[in-house]
Amino acid sequence: DVKVTQSSRYLVKRTGEKVFLECVQDMDHENMFWYRQDPGLGLRLIYFSYDVKMKEKGDIPEGYSVSREKKERFSLILESASTNQTSMYLCASSFSGSRYNEQFFGPGTRLTVL
Amino acid sequence: QKEVEQNSGPLSVPEGAIASLNCTYSDRVSQSFFWYRQYSGKSPELIMSIYSNGDKEDGRFTAQLNKASQYVSLLIRDSQPSDSATYLCAGSYNQGGKLIFGQGTELSVKP
Repeated sequence: DVKVTQSSRYLVKRTGEKVFLECVQDMDHENMFWYRQDPGLGLRLIYFSYDVKMKEKGDIPEGYSVSREKKERFSLILESASTNQTSMYLCASSFSGSRYNEQFFGPGTRLTVL
Repeated sequence: QKEVEQNSGPLSVPEGAIASLNCTYSDRVSQSFFWYRQYSGKSPELIMSIYSNGDKEDGRFTAQLNKASQYVSLLIRDSQPSDSATYLCAGSYNQGGKLIFGQGTELSVKP
């Protein structure tokens, strides 16, 4: 079974703090994704990566950065957290060799910025 | 037009009934489609994938894809209260590994 893990289920941070969200997958997937999910707005893609040290902006990259130093790990960084970044953050991964692009999600991190 | 659009919920069905969830998509979305189930406070779980025109069955779930009409549906037979969740439809872009998700349809199965 594909396993995607995220470093924290719940996180509370203060405005202006630098926040790191970690995601690890154990299926040797090339593709990794970071989404945020908010009521009424659905899933929105923040960043994604097709390979180590590669990154692509998604639909809402402002205020975020990412790092992919190892194939299995994809980190999302909030450079200076703000209250409007309070959200559920979801990591996903997929196999690039598949023509079908199924993505598998981690359990999510619910981040609250005070 | 949204690239992937789902019928607005919430959808309420009695236990044992068939629940029908629908999704339409635009030309930008490729031929691979997925249904995810998401329980409140949890992450999306992939329950069905469909790539070819027609029906695909897995237990109580049937996914249907009609490329000519650009719609994909999910039927849940013998609905159970444990099926109560939000169902997300997703399609892949014509290139790359990205998916585009619909807004989700909330399903409530009443005992």
